[in-house]
Amino acid sequence: DTGVSQNPRHKITKRGQNVTFRCDPISEHNRLYWYRQTLGQGPEFLTYFQNEAQLEKSRLLSDRFSAERPKGSFSTLEIQRTEQGDSAMYLCASSTPRGGFTDTQYFGPGTRLTVL
Amino acid sequence: AQSVTQLDSQVPVFEEAPVELRCNYSSSVSVYLFWYVQYPNQGLQLLLKYLSGSTLVKGINGFEAEFNKSQTSFHLRKPSVHISDTAEYFCAVSKEVQGAQKLVFGQGTRLTINP
Repeated sequence: DTGVSQNPRHKITKRGQNVTFRCDPISEHNRLYWYRQTLGQGPEFLTYFQNEAQLEKSRLLSDRFSAERPKGSFSTLEIQRTEQGDSAMYLCASSTPRGGFTDTQYFGPGTRLTVL
Repeated sequence: AQSVTQLDSQVPVFEEAPVELRCNYSSSVSVYLFWYVQYPNQGLQLLLKYLSGSTLVKGINGFEAEFNKSQTSFHLRKPSVHISDTAEYFCAVSKEVQGAQKLVFGQGTRLTINP
């Protein structure tokens, strides 16, 4: 069990550019979540996968955001035409379904995005 | 709608002193409550969670929390803090989405331990 990993840890980009983040969950965890955390705030739910199926998307996830989990293992989060308001920490978490919706989510270290 | 309010944005305490971090929730359904800790430049780590049963929940690193339904609170406590407890603490409530868990977090409380 190596924990949830996220890459890159930091990303600086110019407004209008596209960026992609990767999350590798704990092996055999079939549930994967993305959250966004802005400065001074708690994390906010963005989206959720069970295996490769994206089952829930927050209204925070505008059309410029897309998330995938093609083989039910790692996931990517892409932001197109970045805006300064996208600057935040993007957190990934994974869990197993043993406890249903009371299962423990294990978080990665996050990717900090800065849009100039 | 479920929500969480953390009443203090910052809490400074001296080393070896007791601490209480306050959390109030609002929910119209069964409540599942969590406390997470975030150390600098790291992800969130689960401290403890309340699902059902005993209202006093013990977690890692000597922390405990008490679920109080009448006051809709889930305050986090530690009898004696250490420098290493300096971190951001988040209270969260769980909401079911498509059979899985969506965490709704409070704004966080920054705990600073002074020597």
